[in-house]
Amino acid sequence: SAVISQKPSRDICQRGTSLTIQCQVDSQVTMMFWYRQQPGQSLTLIATANQGSEATYESGFVIDKFPISRPNLTFSTLTVSNMSPEDSSIYLCSVKGATPNTGELFFGEGSRLTVL
Amino acid sequence: GENVEQHPSTLSVQEGDSAVIKCTYSDSASNYFPWYKQELGKRPQLIIDIRSNVGEKKDQRIAVTLNKTAKHFSLHITETQPEDSAVYFCAASSGRDDKIIFGKGTRLHILP
Repeated sequence: SAVISQKPSRDICQRGTSLTIQCQVDSQVTMMFWYRQQPGQSLTLIATANQGSEATYESGFVIDKFPISRPNLTFSTLTVSNMSPEDSSIYLCSVKGATPNTGELFFGEGSRLTVL
Repeated sequence: GENVEQHPSTLSVQEGDSAVIKCTYSDSASNYFPWYKQELGKRPQLIIDIRSNVGEKKDQRIAVTLNKTAKHFSLHITETQPEDSAVYFCAASSGRDDKIIFGKGTRLHILP
């Protein structure tokens, strides 16, 4: 298993501002995944964060809006830039377990952002 | 890219009855199909998964079946209990890029 800590757990933000979410894992992992879960909705993959290279973004998500850093194998940040009320959501960091050939994703507790 | 469709969006079953949730996927290269359960206010957790070299897998009251030809897979929960009430997500992964794509979820209500 993997233990993932995210912060902040929740925040209320003003329109036009930016917020950075931090994700810390208790073991070294190659890839970290950032998901968004809007209220009552599914888990939408924003991007895959690889250590030592640019993040890979999914369709509909761009680096200018959601810049990601991955300075080492245990840590990543996601910034939500120039926020609008439509960005109100839970943002989840996730990693796969260290055991080879297991595909299980472990999630952080999520960061609930409310944009006013 | 991969697209996962999930039905129904809401399901109510009497306690003790069975529940079935169905999903289809689009990418024939997908070879890993997990199911996650998310209770209210909590993070999603894996409950069962299946790989494409297996047609069925069972773990106590839950089972998953996979039809590769038709590109669909299903979750079966038998003898449902109140603690089974939650949102269930199916997902698919091709392994090429390790990313996991989720369906829209099914809200399961177990009625007393």
